[in-house]
Amino acid sequence: IAGITQAPTSQILAAGRRMTLRCTQDMRHNAMYWYRQDLGLGLRLIHYSNTAGTTGKGEVPDGYSVSRANTDDFPLTLASAVPSQTSVYFCASSETSGGPNRFATQYFGPGTRLTVL
Amino acid sequence: QKEVEQNSGPLSVPEGAIASLNCTYSDRGSQSFFWYRQYSGKSPELIMSIYSNGDKEDGRFTAQLNKASQYVSLLIRDSQPSDSATYLCAVDPRGYNKLIFGAGTRLAVHP
Repeated sequence: IAGITQAPTSQILAAGRRMTLRCTQDMRHNAMYWYRQDLGLGLRLIHYSNTAGTTGKGEVPDGYSVSRANTDDFPLTLASAVPSQTSVYFCASSETSGGPNRFATQYFGPGTRLTVL
Repeated sequence: QKEVEQNSGPLSVPEGAIASLNCTYSDRGSQSFFWYRQYSGKSPELIMSIYSNGDKEDGRFTAQLNKASQYVSLLIRDSQPSDSATYLCAVDPRGYNKLIFGAGTRLAVHP
């Protein structure tokens, strides 16, 4: 069982280019998440999906879009990359989206290091 | 005020000592709390979760939660050099799995 895979591992991108970061999980988890991690700021939630066919905005959604066509895949798209989007991007998943007294551990993928020049 | 605050460190402890990592949070209604360990260049991995006031022990790790004071801590007993990593505190403010992370505390265990 691979868990969560992300691609690419790293990427250098020119500003203004479009980029899609891929995330696939094989655990049949309902919920998936995208975070970015910046030095001194920790992990911040970009977008999430509680179940296939639904998505929601996190703490820092501007400049990013997501889709959830099926359970396994949750791609993150930067429509027109800017240097402030240079970061390490982590995809995560959990069995459920949680709820009152229903806690769900989040498991993280290996990350994508993105540099926008 | 940040929603989840941690001392950035580095916290340096000798091998075999107890490492104490602290985290405070601002949302008094927060329901669940997590400690993740992240080695340099790697992804975060969950090491402890705690939901009720008091202590929760798992091997060398003990998580402590005090909701009245709005802090959660992680104790690592018999610290090993392999424990050297950044420890991330995460809080779920509303119980819907939308985690707020602290910036992390870097722990260095020296032989």
